[in-house]
Amino acid sequence: AQSVAQPEDQVNVAEGNPLTVKCTYSVSGNPYLFWYVQYPNRGLQFLLKYITGDNLVKGSYGFEAEFNKSQTSFHLKKPSALVSDSALYFCAVRGSARQLTFGSGTQLTVLP
Amino acid sequence: NAGVTQTPKFRVLKTGQSMTLLCAQDMNHEYMYWYRQDPGMGLRLIHYSVGEGTTAKGEVPDGYNVSRLKKQNFLLGLESAAPSQTSVYFCASILAGGSNTGELFFGEGSRLTVL
Repeated sequence: AQSVAQPEDQVNVAEGNPLTVKCTYSVSGNPYLFWYVQYPNRGLQFLLKYITGDNLVKGSYGFEAEFNKSQTSFHLKKPSALVSDSALYFCAVRGSARQLTFGSGTQLTVLP
Repeated sequence: NAGVTQTPKFRVLKTGQSMTLLCAQDMNHEYMYWYRQDPGMGLRLIHYSVGEGTTAKGEVPDGYNVSRLKKQNFLLGLESAAPSQTSVYFCASILAGGSNTGELFFGEGSRLTVL
């Protein structure tokens, strides 16, 4: 069975600084990996995905993620954080019935 | 664009009561899912359906039942609610086609409190 780990419950970063939200995964076969964002009292919104190809994936709102097969990681990054990026971020891996298995989530707070 | 719609958005139940959450999608998606979200635990899959008339168990199915009588609707039922079922429930859907690369579409959530 597949699994995802997000080792940090909380990440704080100053506005304008780069941010990284960490994710590691475990899956048999080629991984399909995703990042979603959740704002308070809202559903999950898709940010980006890795299926195949370039290890650096670009997504919505200036986010990107780096896939590293040897380290089984898929870290979310952004060069310059905004206060409006403050939200709950989930990493996920796809299973055989196209269902997603999610990590526990990382609360990102960008400080003005 | 309605997308994925969940009703009700909020509900308070007493222990032992029953209720049904409705998920409706207008995107002609074959696959539908019910997740629950609890603090510090991410989203966990309760049940899912890969087509009309079919359902399957996910990671945490106990205490829940589901039905998919119509392609666009996926119902989640609690026959006898327990306080441990206090949670936020999310429905999601996706196309089954081979060209689909896996982005799930989520509803806005249904917050259930069991007293």
